[in-house]
Amino acid sequence: AQSVTQLGSHVSVSEGALVLLRCNYSSSVPPYLFWYVQYPNQGLQLLLKYTSAATLVKGINGFEAEFKKSETSFHLTKPSAHMSDAAEYFCAVRYNNNDMRFGAGTRLTVKP
Amino acid sequence: DGGITQSPKYLFRKEGQNVTLSCEQNLNHDAMYWYRQDPGQGLRLIYYSQIVNDFQKGDIAEGYSVSREKKESFPLTVTSAQKNPTAFYLCASNPTGKNTEAFFGQGTRLTVV
Repeated sequence: AQSVTQLGSHVSVSEGALVLLRCNYSSSVPPYLFWYVQYPNQGLQLLLKYTSAATLVKGINGFEAEFKKSETSFHLTKPSAHMSDAAEYFCAVRYNNNDMRFGAGTRLTVKP
Repeated sequence: DGGITQSPKYLFRKEGQNVTLSCEQNLNHDAMYWYRQDPGQGLRLIYYSQIVNDFQKGDIAEGYSVSREKKESFPLTVTSAQKNPTAFYLCASNPTGKNTEAFFGQGTRLTVV
């Protein structure tokens, strides 16, 4: 089945350090790709989305992601982590049948 | 303000009872979705609907039912056939188009005792 895989269920970084959250999709046909953030007991909020207009996508809160077709990846990065970035992050994919599928999520912890 | 409203936020039910979770949107979106979230498993698709009076099963539809009688409403019923119903349930919607993002409600946490 077409899906998306997030490598690493937990990532811990120090405040000010680089954040890298990994996402790979499984299809020879590039899908539409999304990154969402979730704070405890809340819904999901869109960080950014890839829609084929540009391979480097900038989102909210200083996050960005780069689409790499050769690696079937869409990793999320942020140059300098803030305490407020601590949350769970989900990569999502939409293929031609129009339903959206999510990865298992990565919980980001930011240490002072 | 436009958005998606899920109610209630917390719900407790006894084992063997059916329960219905509400999801209403005033965004004029065609597509609506129900996801179940369990720790370490991400979001799993239960049902989705792309148009009124039509819906499709997702990956984990067994023990659940939905209806889509109105564009703005997509209620989910958790039946007694669902073996492990305690979870966080999220409703989402998006406008027509593959490159459109989904908008989420705040979720309903269902606890069955």
